[in-house]
Amino acid sequence: KAGVTQTPRYLIKTRGQQVTLSCSPISGHRSVSWYQQTPGQGLQFLFEYFSETQRNKGNFPGRFSGRQFSNSRSEMNVSTLELGDSALYLCASSGGLQVPGLAEAFFGQGTRLTVV
Amino acid sequence: AQKVTQAQTEISVVEKEDVTLDCVYETRDTTYYLFWYKQPPSGELVFLIRRNSFDEQNEISGRYSWNFQKSTSSFNFTITASQVVDSAVYFCALSPTSGTYKYIFGTGTRLKVLA
Repeated sequence: KAGVTQTPRYLIKTRGQQVTLSCSPISGHRSVSWYQQTPGQGLQFLFEYFSETQRNKGNFPGRFSGRQFSNSRSEMNVSTLELGDSALYLCASSGGLQVPGLAEAFFGQGTRLTVV
Repeated sequence: AQKVTQAQTEISVVEKEDVTLDCVYETRDTTYYLFWYKQPPSGELVFLIRRNSFDEQNEISGRYSWNFQKSTSSFNFTITASQVVDSAVYFCALSPTSGTYKYIFGTGTRLKVLA
């Protein structure tokens, strides 16, 4: 079956702009998580959505937001971009069983965002 | 607080050598999950293994094996007879067992397998 699809793969934006990234999870998966990966901070959890509800949020400023649609597809938005937002943004899809943690997360190839 | 430490930043081995990647974790949870993921240059994280905190049985899958020791809070990963295709960054991760899929990742170990 198809894996996790993230679009676009690459983005270049200017400071102050906003950006929207998209993630299509594996068919049937109801949980989508987002991670930011940078050389300095490594992989950091942004937020998780399950059945259109944000279930958990990492320690990021309010400029970072997300949502999940009824078909489980998810978007994340970053407003007022800063140079430090340049990173690889990874989306993870999970089965979302009643007891999370029983199913591992499957990751997409990421969106590489460059802020200039 | 939860934390995952991968002290080895980069390891280089010659093809066919065995290599062990170390992972030490900290958590106050009594139940938790541990994972290993591989990140090739293409960027996606490839799932390798999940281990429950209450299952300390070691596991072998082909050339891969995992040694989980709760007493030392370690979950080490060994590749036997390494191959050039094993070159990647390997991440160890920790998650709670319920409520969320929030993973705490280590900083990763870059493995270079030389031909």
